[in-house]
Amino acid sequence: GQNIDQPTEMTATEGAIVQINCTYQTSGFNGLFWYQQHAGEAPTFLSYNVLDGLEEKGRFSSFLSRSKGYSYLLLKELQMKDSASYLCAVMDSNYQLIWGAGTKLIIKP
Amino acid sequence: GAVVSQHPSRVICKSGTSVKIECRSLDFQATTMFWYRQFPKKSLMLMATSNEGSKATYEQGVEKDKFLINHASLTLSTLTVTSAHPEDSSFYICSARGGEREPFFGPGTRLTVL
Repeated sequence: GQNIDQPTEMTATEGAIVQINCTYQTSGFNGLFWYQQHAGEAPTFLSYNVLDGLEEKGRFSSFLSRSKGYSYLLLKELQMKDSASYLCAVMDSNYQLIWGAGTKLIIKP
Repeated sequence: GAVVSQHPSRVICKSGTSVKIECRSLDFQATTMFWYRQFPKKSLMLMATSNEGSKATYEQGVEKDKFLINHASLTLSTLTVTSAHPEDSSFYICSARGGEREPFFGPGTRLTVL
């Protein structure tokens, strides 16, 4: 079956760095996405990786290893507004998105 | 990024009535639209996938006669919750994708059934 695993909840301190991991097993692979979702709002797109390596976009970076079925989202210089759920999703061979359950990130002052 | 709108953003209705939610892609042609439901503090749950001009594909456990989906054009899909009940109260979110691009989400519709 298809499976996306990510931690349920993480806590970090304002100004610090946090890494949110995602492992996947899917039928085919056409890219991995990270989305941010604040409570009561729709998800917003953060990043897309289809090749191995690190993609950096400001304070956020996303890494992919296709051979290991593994990705992480790295958030630097954490701000209180980064408190949100972070969703990992993989596009399978049929171009369908398979979603993880999301990681709730709590930022403490 | 591309823009997807949803209307209404919030709706309160009486039990037994039907509610229609619209999802529009404003600056691109959406060949595929997805409808999700999200209960408080829970993850997104895919309800159905619709391709323009064809019938929607529903996920297991989602009643197609209760959640009617129409994807009549490349920019508009509608979800109608028929004979809504309090347990249908949820946050309904659509996303739209053009070709093989990443999907873009609408802002969501919060449905409250009294």
